[in-house]
Amino acid sequence: QSVVTQPPSASGTPGQRVTISCSGSSSNIGSNTVNWYQQRPGTAPKLLIYMNDQRPSGVPDRFSGSKSGTSASLAISGLQSADEADYYCGTWDDSLNGVLFGGGTKLTVL
Amino acid sequence: QVQMQESGPGLVKPSETLSLTCAVSGGSIASSSYCWAWLRQPPGKGLEWVGSMYYRGSTYYNPSLKSRVTISVDTSKTQFFLKLTAVTAADTAVYYCARHVGEWFGEVISPTKWFDPWGQGILVTVSS
Repeated sequence: QSVVTQPPSASGTPGQRVTISCSGSSSNIGSNTVNWYQQRPGTAPKLLIYMNDQRPSGVPDRFSGSKSGTSASLAISGLQSADEADYYCGTWDDSLNGVLFGGGTKLTVL
Repeated sequence: QVQMQESGPGLVKPSETLSLTCAVSGGSIASSSYCWAWLRQPPGKGLEWVGSMYYRGSTYYNPSLKSRVTISVDTSKTQFFLKLTAVTAADTAVYYCARHVGEWFGEVISPTKWFDPWGQGILVTVSS
């Protein structure tokens, strides 16, 4: 099935570590790499993690990605108020022959 | 450093055609490493991939929009375009253009990788 699922919300206090999950299937996450995007309110999405666990230049090492089987995760350590944003996972789906995004996770820093 | 900028009408009438342009600066569209993509985000909702194009003509469209979408590139290789026909209120969204990293399979490029950078987005409202 061509669906990628994220929890709609996540939260943490400053300094904490939070993880956001992204669950798919063999046709998408199971056979392709996963990318993560950060979208702060009122702005365009920004690439945060590519190819499962690679950080673009300029992205702090507080952000890390991992993938196992048909699931992927984004971890944010040393949580900061500036991390409050929507986070999306994206991947290619071989059955759809197209790009799929998860529904997005709204991260709140309490 | 590549930058992307969307432009076009902010209001389109139902049943008409939505037409947007993405200007690429700081780099050439005629690159063997990249495709060029359109994505959209309805107000308050998540991201949706519309389609991607390689500058030599290969196109890849979201199956749910394929019958209505055309992505093209101009001959000067500094702009690419989106046309979406027969629009309805459901097509109201912020539309983004982005560079889409591709992967070669023999002599065919497939846009299977990540989007970076993105344009700032343009809100298009479908209403009479």
